[in-house]
Amino acid sequence: GEQVEQRPPHLSVREGDSAFIICTYTDSATAYFYWYKQEPGAGLQLLMSVFSNVDRKEEQGLTVLLNKKDKRLSLNLTAAHPGDSAVYFCAVSAYAQGLTFGLGTRVSVFP
Amino acid sequence: EAAVTQSPRNKVTVTGGNVTLSCRQTNSHNYMYWYRQDTGHGLRLIHYSYGAGNLQIGDVPDGYKATRTTQEDFFLLLELASPSQTSLYFCASSEGTLGNTLYFGEGSRLIVV
Repeated sequence: GEQVEQRPPHLSVREGDSAFIICTYTDSATAYFYWYKQEPGAGLQLLMSVFSNVDRKEEQGLTVLLNKKDKRLSLNLTAAHPGDSAVYFCAVSAYAQGLTFGLGTRVSVFP
Repeated sequence: EAAVTQSPRNKVTVTGGNVTLSCRQTNSHNYMYWYRQDTGHGLRLIHYSYGAGNLQIGDVPDGYKATRTTQEDFFLLLELASPSQTSLYFCASSEGTLGNTLYFGEGSRLIVV
């Protein structure tokens, strides 16, 4: 089945700097890609979704890049602020039984 | 916005105990899911359902039963709880599957002692 590797597991960035997270997946049939954010004590909240025909998507300080050839998905948080401190998960979907998640990246933004 | 409500939010039970986690979604979504979240494992799918009366097995179903009684309600049942089932459980719903956003509840933390 699908395997998703996410790195790094932890990331500390200074306020105003960028945070970069990468995921690799194994199934070439994977068609849908997601980034979720989880704040302490809360469920996962969708940040952005991307279909496989999109290579780059930008929204509200977030940039998602998709490299289908290398089976790689990345998230760049530009100009991070303390409110961005959370755990970020990538997730991919190829089949009807739901998403396969990465293990998460804990992002800490310090002043 | 999609609303998914889980209860209880926190539960402590003893080994061998019987636990039911409840989930209700108010958006008439067809699909509902139960995940568990553990350090080092991320989120893993336990069971899911595409409608009332339907149940599909996920990736880690052992030790869990589930039942979808209505379009809105999806229950996760641990009939003989074990310490290995200590975890944070999330319910989610979606309109469809492929390409559809999952909306998550706030989680139910279960401790089995």
